[in-house]
Amino acid sequence: GAVVSQHPSRVICKSGTSVKIECRSLDFQATTMFWYRQFPKQSLMLMATSNEGSKATYEQGVEKDKFLINHASLTLSTLTVTSAHPEDSSFYICSARWRAYEQYFGPGTRLTVT
Amino acid sequence: AQSVAQPEDQVNVAEGNPLTVKCTYSVSGNPYLFWYVQYPNRGLQFLLKYITGDNLVKGSYGFEAEFNKSQTSFHLKKPSALVSDSALYFCAVRDFYAGTASKLTFGTGTRLQVTL
Repeated sequence: GAVVSQHPSRVICKSGTSVKIECRSLDFQATTMFWYRQFPKQSLMLMATSNEGSKATYEQGVEKDKFLINHASLTLSTLTVTSAHPEDSSFYICSARWRAYEQYFGPGTRLTVT
Repeated sequence: AQSVAQPEDQVNVAEGNPLTVKCTYSVSGNPYLFWYVQYPNRGLQFLLKYITGDNLVKGSYGFEAEFNKSQTSFHLKKPSALVSDSALYFCAVRDFYAGTASKLTFGTGTRLQVTL
């Protein structure tokens, strides 16, 4: 089956620093990747849609200058949380679209900002 | 706009008993429907999907779901629950006619608790 990896699985950083999270589709090419944020005991909130070779499309209310997304190749998308603050602490999940209608999810990254 | 409702925050069932996790949806066109499962501190794992064809869809780990167009429902079922099925389950929908531009909309999730 289609496999999506994320790195790192956990990261702790100090307030004001930036953190990069990588999302890779391991056995398929993904022209479209998605980044979600999940708060404890809540559903997934779509942050942005990332298309290879073009700028990401951000959902309403998501700061594009704070959450930088780059989709440099068909197998890699990155999310950089810039100048992180404690309120950015969350579980971030990426997803890659395979074929027209299937979407596979990475294992998630737990970000803690101290 | 498309939406998904999972009316139960939690479902409790004894091991060996059948389980049902409810999901209803709303889309303007024909739906693509999905069920995902999430274990603690993990991403979502794909269970099954309905695109077209038979209304009863079989998926991973013995789960199945029944598409009911008239009731706009896509309930997840399993004939005999296992303790290891305890997890958070998400129903999701995409609008078929929106094509590749469409996005998954998730329900709020239902926590399944299977006890001995």
